[in-house]
Amino acid sequence: GQNIDQPTEMTATEGAIVQINCTYQTSGFNGLFWYQQHAGEAPTFLSYNVLDGLEEKGRFSSFLSRSKGYSYLLLKELQMKDSASYLCAVLDSNYQLIWGAGTKLIIKP
Amino acid sequence: GAVVSQHPSWVICKSGTSVKIECRSLDFQATTMFWYRQFPKQSLMLMATSNEGSKATYEQGVEKDKFLINHASLTLSTLTVTSAHPEDSSFYICSALTPTSGSYNEQFFGPGTRLTVL
Repeated sequence: GQNIDQPTEMTATEGAIVQINCTYQTSGFNGLFWYQQHAGEAPTFLSYNVLDGLEEKGRFSSFLSRSKGYSYLLLKELQMKDSASYLCAVLDSNYQLIWGAGTKLIIKP
Repeated sequence: GAVVSQHPSWVICKSGTSVKIECRSLDFQATTMFWYRQFPKQSLMLMATSNEGSKATYEQGVEKDKFLINHASLTLSTLTVTSAHPEDSSFYICSALTPTSGSYNEQFFGPGTRLTVL
């Protein structure tokens, strides 16, 4: 079966750095997405990785290792507004998105 | 980025009635739209894939006669929850695929519709 694992909840301090991990086992791979979702809102796109390595976008970076079925989202200089759920999703061989359950990130002052 | 709208943003209805939710891609044509449902504290669950001009493809466990999907144009897909019951209360989110650009096409989400069935 297809499976995506990410921690349920993480806590970090304002101004710090946090890394949210995602491991996946899917039938085929056509890329991995990270989305941010605030409570009661639809997800918003953060990043897309299809090749191994690190993609940096401002305070957010995303890393992919296809051989290990592993990705992480790195958030730097955390702000209170970064409190949200972060969803990892993989595009499988049929170009369908397989979703993780999301990681709730709590930022403390 | 591309914009996807949903209407209504929230709706309250009585048990047994039907509710229609619209999903529009405002500045691009979307041959494929997805409908998701999200219960509190859970991840998004794909309900169906809607392709313009053809029947929707439903995920296992989703009743196609209860959740009617119509994708009549390249910018509009509708989801009708027929004979709604309290257990159908949820957050319904649509997304639209942009035309393929490079190695993938990006998915943009609508703002979601919160349905409460009394």
